[in-house]
Amino acid sequence: QQPVQSPQAVILREGEDAVINCSSSKALYSVHWYRQKHGEAPVFLMILLKGGEQKGHDKISASFNEKKQQSSLYLTASQLSYSGTYFCGTDGFQGAQKLVFGQGTRLTINP
Amino acid sequence: EPEVTQTPSHQVTQMGQEVILRCVPISNHLYFYWYRQILGQKVEFLVSFYNNEISEKSEIFDDQFSVERPDGSNFTLKIRSTKLEDSAMYFCASTDAVTNTGELFFGEGSRLTVL
Repeated sequence: QQPVQSPQAVILREGEDAVINCSSSKALYSVHWYRQKHGEAPVFLMILLKGGEQKGHDKISASFNEKKQQSSLYLTASQLSYSGTYFCGTDGFQGAQKLVFGQGTRLTINP
Repeated sequence: EPEVTQTPSHQVTQMGQEVILRCVPISNHLYFYWYRQILGQKVEFLVSFYNNEISEKSEIFDDQFSVERPDGSNFTLKIRSTKLEDSAMYFCASTDAVTNTGELFFGEGSRLTVL
């Protein structure tokens, strides 16, 4: 079952904040976040595990609400380099070897 | 820094032809994956592979598709009889951990164009 991301697209000015949401209709064990720039491969940002803490990396952080089966990615004081398409990936259980990605959220940062 | 490498970077083929896409995962990784991405769309799971056998596959991965690890380094995806709708970017990925605990390292992709 594919996770659902919102919004589908975001346009920001440099320095503004953004939140990208990811939700699933099924129980989740973990949520992964990846960023893909145009014409390139997806690149790992972070993983959140069931029962784990909120993660952060520089000005990008994420939370995982297990009960609601939702995750949110927070981009603070966005930089031009943050532009790209963000995908959340989910699996259903520990030991699963099938990471299913959402449809993506296209983020455009303008100067 | 170790990386996943894929060949060819771009292949053009006629409908009905067989195609083999090749991947060299990172050397100490044990779990391998193929994903595809139709232009402008999401990254779709095809198959995962561990210990020389398929672990999971999606409904896209029908009898036209097969995967193989012919030696200790290569991981291949074969499409037996290509269709127009197989045109996409195919990404290979690998990890040294079970999916939920680790990062997937993606290759740069192989673009397949079916005419």
